[in-house]
Amino acid sequence: AQSVSQHNHHVILSEAASLELGCNYSYGGTVNLFWYVQYPGQHLQLLLKYFSGDPLVKGIKGFEAEFIKSKFSFNLRKPSVQWSDTAEYFCAVNAGEDSSYKLIFGSGTRLLVRP
Amino acid sequence: GAGVSQTPSNKVTEKGKYVELRCDPISGHTALYWYRQSLGQGPEFLIYFQGTGAADDSGLPNDRFFAVRPEGSVSTLKIQRTERGDSAVYLCASRDGAPNTEAFFGQGTRLTVV
Repeated sequence: AQSVSQHNHHVILSEAASLELGCNYSYGGTVNLFWYVQYPGQHLQLLLKYFSGDPLVKGIKGFEAEFIKSKFSFNLRKPSVQWSDTAEYFCAVNAGEDSSYKLIFGSGTRLLVRP
Repeated sequence: GAGVSQTPSNKVTEKGKYVELRCDPISGHTALYWYRQSLGQGPEFLIYFQGTGAADDSGLPNDRFFAVRPEGSVSTLKIQRTERGDSAVYLCASRDGAPNTEAFFGQGTRLTVV
């Protein structure tokens, strides 16, 4: 069965620090990969997605992620975080052969950015 | 509508009661999903509709859970004989059904069984 691991459950950074959140998945076939963000009191929103092509994906608000197939990883990065990035971040995977596009989520990483 | 709408936003019910949770997807989206998010966890897949039919219900935990989408738009998740362990945030998402498109999530319904 597919699974997604997010090893950092809580991350605390100061503004302007660089961010990298880890995401690893277990599935040997083709995958579609996503990062969703949930700001306090808001619904899940898509940050970025990978279906195919360039493994370095640019998303909204200066976020990017790199798909490294050999490492089964899709880590999220941002060079300089802002206080407004305080949120919970979820990595999600969908097996490429699964036409339902149902998502398997990691357990999330809570990011707190101190001003 | 502009986004996925879920009602109610909060529901408190007594153990053993029946509840219905409603999802109104983005207009024109043929794919609809229900997920359940327990405290400290990521969302877990429950059921997927393509149009009116439940194409994948492999995530429903047991036969107390049922969902319908009779006209291919609004969906209702139904939980019979609620248990305290059913307490969670129930999320609905919709997608336009084309390949390689993402799902859009609603705000969720927070269900508390007391």
